[in-house]
Amino acid sequence: QKEVEQNSGPLSVPEGAIASLNCTYSDRGSQSFFWYRQYSGKSPELIMFIYSNGDKEDGRFTAQLNKASQYVSLLIRDSQPSDSATYLCAGGREAAGNKLTFGGGTRVLVKP
Amino acid sequence: NAGVMQNPRHLVRRRGQEARLRCSPMKGHSHVYWYRQLPEEGLKFMVYLQKENIIDESGMPKERFSAEFPKEGPSILRIQQVVRGDSAAYFCASSPSTSGEQFFGPGTRLTVL
Repeated sequence: QKEVEQNSGPLSVPEGAIASLNCTYSDRGSQSFFWYRQYSGKSPELIMFIYSNGDKEDGRFTAQLNKASQYVSLLIRDSQPSDSATYLCAGGREAAGNKLTFGGGTRVLVKP
Repeated sequence: NAGVMQNPRHLVRRRGQEARLRCSPMKGHSHVYWYRQLPEEGLKFMVYLQKENIIDESGMPKERFSAEFPKEGPSILRIQQVVRGDSAAYFCASSPSTSGEQFFGPGTRLTVL
């Protein structure tokens, strides 16, 4: 069982719609969760991080964390073609120096 | 405020040669992480360093790979006697603390011929 799991996609959404990405994790000791966006051939770019149960909003992005269900999600509202990328979910544990364990990523394709 | 810097951006080596990858963290960041992304695979943790100390190298292959973060200068990831399977993108990330966000550099793409 992978420690962090994501659906590989592709997740195809029409422009202007909401993209919903999901991530599950197996390590209950994980405390912090991060969403990165990675364009092909580029480095991961931090979008959001979340530590507490509930929702966290930043612009068009909302991260949701449910520690009881070991579930993290990312919503992208008003999706744009420029949002087409691979989205990486990662978990970290401060006691382990916060080294990040990444999921395999979900490829998102926003169609005009 | 400059971001995380890595060089070289692209590195080509023949089998058996040494590869040396450099990473300068963001200003004010004392925590450096190295990750590797093999073709069509996810990012995998390799090593975590603070100045002059290796904190966690549990993700590093036992042989041929080493890392350092000296008091002065960038962090270095060294791969000795490279093999074709070492071809990958190597990313460095830095953080101001063990609970903070990690920001990634542009990566070094290593190709072993």
